Amino acid sequence: GAGVSQSPSNKVTEKGKDVELRCDPISGHTALYWYRQSLGQGLEFLIYFQGNSAPDKSGLPSDRFSAERTGGSVSTLTIQRTQQEDSAVYLCASSLGQQGPSYEQYFGPGTRLTVT
Amino acid sequence: GQNIDQPTEMTATEGAIVQINCTYQTSGFNGLFWYQQHAGEAPTFLSYNVLDGLEEKGRFSSFLSRSKGYSYLLLKELQMKDSASYLCAVRDNTNAGKSTFGDGTTLTVKP
Repeated sequence: GAGVSQSPSNKVTEKGKDVELRCDPISGHTALYWYRQSLGQGLEFLIYFQGNSAPDKSGLPSDRFSAERTGGSVSTLTIQRTQQEDSAVYLCASSLGQQGPSYEQYFGPGTRLTVT
Repeated sequence: GQNIDQPTEMTATEGAIVQINCTYQTSGFNGLFWYQQHAGEAPTFLSYNVLDGLEEKGRFSSFLSRSKGYSYLLLKELQMKDSASYLCAVRDNTNAGKSTFGDGTTLTVKP
């Protein structure tokens, strides 16, 4: 079946503009995760959803970042008033569930965000 | 919180065996994962350990010691395509959905 898809694949925006990043998880996967990866770095956890609810938003870097998930499927990560330090690859992942191996995460190809 | 350490870079020869170590200090533990990430691509799942011991999957094996906060990924019969970054990630049992990733180990396989 189809994997996790993300759009756009690349986004160049001017400092101060808002951006929306979209993630389509694997059908049937109840959990969805957002990460950020800067060049040469590991993955920085941002937020995860179980269904449509986000039990932990503590990873969001600032109040300029927000995310929502609707219908237990598509998720949108919004960054308001972008700053140059927001430049990174934003990765989305989904998993079948939260227990044991069902927690295995499948990653999308990412959105490369460049703030000029 | 979680603190995860792994070597930044390793080099090995095609056909050889390499072991990539990962140590962690956690406030809670609910499983350790290894992912492979080729340059410019998304991470892909390699292994999952929640109990002590060795999990073998083809050329790749992963070991966990919870008492020592230690894991390793063992790659046998190295191939050039194994050149990639290997990420160790620990799942937090105080927050069911959160995983903390190490910065990754970049493995270069040479002929």
